[in-house]
Amino acid sequence: GAVVSQHPSRVICKSGTSVKIECRSLDFQATTMFWYRQFPKQSLMLMATSNEGSKATYEQGVEKDKFLINHASLTLSTLTVTSAHPEDSSFYICSARASDRYSNQPQHFGDGTRLSIL
Amino acid sequence: AQKITQTQPGMFVQEKEAVTLDCTYDTSDQSYGLFWYKQPSSGEMIFLIYQGSYDEQNATEGRYSLNFQKARKSANLVISASQLGDSAMYFCAMREAGTASKLTFGTGTRLQVTL
Repeated sequence: GAVVSQHPSRVICKSGTSVKIECRSLDFQATTMFWYRQFPKQSLMLMATSNEGSKATYEQGVEKDKFLINHASLTLSTLTVTSAHPEDSSFYICSARASDRYSNQPQHFGDGTRLSIL
Repeated sequence: AQKITQTQPGMFVQEKEAVTLDCTYDTSDQSYGLFWYKQPSSGEMIFLIYQGSYDEQNATEGRYSLNFQKARKSANLVISASQLGDSAMYFCAMREAGTASKLTFGTGTRLQVTL
């Protein structure tokens, strides 16, 4: 089945550091990838939609300058948390959907990144 | 109004029994898709089953089946012959037409399978 790889799986770093998270679709092309944030015991909250070759579309309330998204190829999207602070600590998870016209294709998720800012 | 409602924060089921996890949705679109995902404690999201709004038959995938009642706007997940490894969070999600494939998730149901 479709595989999405997310790296790193866990990051612990000091306040003020910028952290880059990679999301790769390993065996399919994805013109669109999605970035979610999940707080403990809560649901997934869509942060932004990453579009290959164009700017990301951010959800309301998500700071574009804080969460930089780059989708440089059909298999790679990156999320950079700039100048991270303790309140940015969370579980970040990406997903990708195969580029086709069939609506029944599910989003396939990476394993997530647990970010802890000290 | 919530687009996806999961009213059961937690459920218990005995091993080998069947369990139904509830999901209701709200949309004015005629074309939409409904998904169920499983999230174990390790965090990954595992796709389980899909139901399209125009599908006339209920979707089935192994031990998972979807009880789709379009008029009632419900898409309940049925897990048959529960196993200890089924213990996890389960999320119902909807994709509406024209939303660039975005998924809206419910709040989830934590399923605990007991001996």
